Amino acid sequence: DADVTQTPRNRITKTGKRIMLECSQTKGHDRMYWYRQDPGLGLRLIYYSFDVKDINKGEISDGYSVSRQAQAKFSLSLESAIPNQTALYFCATSGGGLAGVGRRANYNEQFFGPGTRLTVL
Amino acid sequence: QKEVEQNSGPLSVPEGAIASLNCTYSDRGSQSFFWYRQYSGKSPELIMFIYSNGDKEDGRFTAQLNKASQYVSLLIRDSQPSDSATYLCAVKRWGKFQFGAGTQVVVTP
Repeated sequence: DADVTQTPRNRITKTGKRIMLECSQTKGHDRMYWYRQDPGLGLRLIYYSFDVKDINKGEISDGYSVSRQAQAKFSLSLESAIPNQTALYFCATSGGGLAGVGRRANYNEQFFGPGTRLTVL
Repeated sequence: QKEVEQNSGPLSVPEGAIASLNCTYSDRGSQSFFWYRQYSGKSPELIMFIYSNGDKEDGRFTAQLNKASQYVSLLIRDSQPSDSATYLCAVKRWGKFQFGAGTQVVVTP
């Protein structure tokens, strides 16, 4: 089973609709991130969370909101989708939890989900 | 100016040769530096990270960091067709990652 899962994997929607993308992880990691990827622009950080009570804006948070429902779940919402939000969205996790006996948790290792391809018409 | 800059490529490399990828960053407070590989339509995978000046080797990969020049590079030795992918450079400061746009590498038989 995948350690970081994203639902849905693909979504086509219309301008003005509300959309929620969900991310779940079984790695026991503290930190979770949402990125979008556009051709030629690489990955850009939308929001990140270091624990359930800590939510931070990234470089492109306008038009997006997030919810950290539990340590393992981090959702991204588009309140009113617009065409320029068409992109590939990735969730990622790092640090804490399942580090193994005697091994310090490594916050440098970031694990990505499979991505959600969102198209806004 | 982007905070993390990479040549977009494509970088064409003969099979068995060394691929050399470069990355510059603007934030002098950056603490850790990363190389990810991303196949088309797939999610990024961490190759290696480095946080001290100098070289770090892992198998066929060597990362090089020069903080004074704000430069990080990746060498891929004995390039294989399976190394054809986009390579993303990233920097981290206080838990927040910033990525470059990536360099496409094409290994030719």
